[in-house]
Amino acid sequence: EIVLTQSPGTLSLSPGERATLSCRASQSVSSNYFAWYQHKPGQAPRLLIYGASSRTTGIPDRFSGSGSGTDFTLTINRLEPEDFAVYYCQQYGGSPWTFGQGTKVEIK
Amino acid sequence: EVQLLESGGGLVQPGGSLRLSCAASGFTFSSYVLCWVRQAPGQGLKWVSAISGSGDSTYYADSVKGRFTISRDNSKNTLYLQMNNVRAEDTAVYYCARNSAVAGGILDYWGQGTLVPVSS
Repeated sequence: EIVLTQSPGTLSLSPGERATLSCRASQSVSSNYFAWYQHKPGQAPRLLIYGASSRTTGIPDRFSGSGSGTDFTLTINRLEPEDFAVYYCQQYGGSPWTFGQGTKVEIK
Repeated sequence: EVQLLESGGGLVQPGGSLRLSCAASGFTFSSYVLCWVRQAPGQGLKWVSAISGSGDSTYYADSVKGRFTISRDNSKNTLYLQMNNVRAEDTAVYYCARNSAVAGGILDYWGQGTLVPVSS
């Protein structure tokens, strides 16, 4: 099983700042089968990025994903108030599909 | 608009059973792989089970294999998770999610979840 470790656990930032979230895999993720999700309390998780860097329909371009192999990054430029949430990385290149433990982006 | 709505959660005793449902709308139900993902209190997301569009193929996490059964009724646009012999560690919010047509494992729509506390 591929273990995903996200850092930091919590990111305290102000609106307008840039957020950089990291996710490290315990082994290489094949074909960059890697995704990022946003989750707010009481709501359904929302797919942001798949294929490591492809934004899903309707996701603002301030969200970007990068990385390959074992190291992946989600960058949120110019944080908006609605961006404060928990973010999860996921790999779907190996079985079972696994998620990171989450990074909380909170208002400073 | 794609919608997934879970139901059936509630308090269950260890060793007991519960059936979760997920009613879907806004897409051609039988064309998509569907999944259950859970989130235990204070923890991250964990994939539980998946089922093919026809229902012929099913997949399970090791932690639930032999105890949980995923199924679907394509005539009712509904996904199910039969949970038997539940344990305290099954306590979680259970989400149903649709697998994107782009590639297996991309979960492009999710429900809001249903809470299953396991306690005596």
